[in-house]
Amino acid sequence: DTEVTQTPKHLVMGMTNKKSLKCEQHMGHRAMYWYKQKAKKPPELMFVYSYEKLSINESVPSRFSPECPNSSLLNLHLHALQPEDSALYLCASSHPSSLREPQHFGDGTRLSIL
Amino acid sequence: AQTVTQSQPEMSVQEAETVTLSCTYDTSESDYYLFWYKQPPSRQMILVIRQEAYKQQNATENRFSVNFQKAAKSFSLKISDSQLGDAAMYFCAYRSPDSNFGNEKLTFGTGTRLTIIP
Repeated sequence: DTEVTQTPKHLVMGMTNKKSLKCEQHMGHRAMYWYKQKAKKPPELMFVYSYEKLSINESVPSRFSPECPNSSLLNLHLHALQPEDSALYLCASSHPSSLREPQHFGDGTRLSIL
Repeated sequence: AQTVTQSQPEMSVQEAETVTLSCTYDTSESDYYLFWYKQPPSRQMILVIRQEAYKQQNATENRFSVNFQKAAKSFSLKISDSQLGDAAMYFCAYRSPDSNFGNEKLTFGTGTRLTIIP
């Protein structure tokens, strides 16, 4: 079973739509991440939240807006996306106890932009 | 900046045989962490095994083991007694120990697609 839960699993939206991706974990992790993954490529880091504060933004376009309302929940708000934004969006979380602790990933949301 | 190279885009192995996936990395740091992640068609990235650079002993997890050669900056993954469920994309990843919590980044290799032949 996946300890990091992402919804929805699939999303199709038009370029003018507004939608949100949701990520939830209940492992007590205090760092949460958004990655974008194109087909047959490794994940690319987009954002990192540490203790509910944005700590890394990898120069992501403003049409992607992250939000961390509490320590268990991470959202990614989408608006006016482009066809090239179609990809798998992965959420991950990690524990603050040690740097040797790995990031735990969710199943991802497959996003298609029409 | 660190780079991670996986030179085998695709590999295949007969069921029950052994296969080794290669990974090399470039870093000027002396201490760091290395990971192998597996991504099956179900899409979830699953941790397979981890290695701390300060440990000389190679990590093992059941059928999975690594050959960590620090001087050569090599971190290969050996899968013994391959099973159909091992079919997936495998990513090697590097993490710097200097990362403050919450500012950590994983540097991924380009991945190796492993096919298991029944």
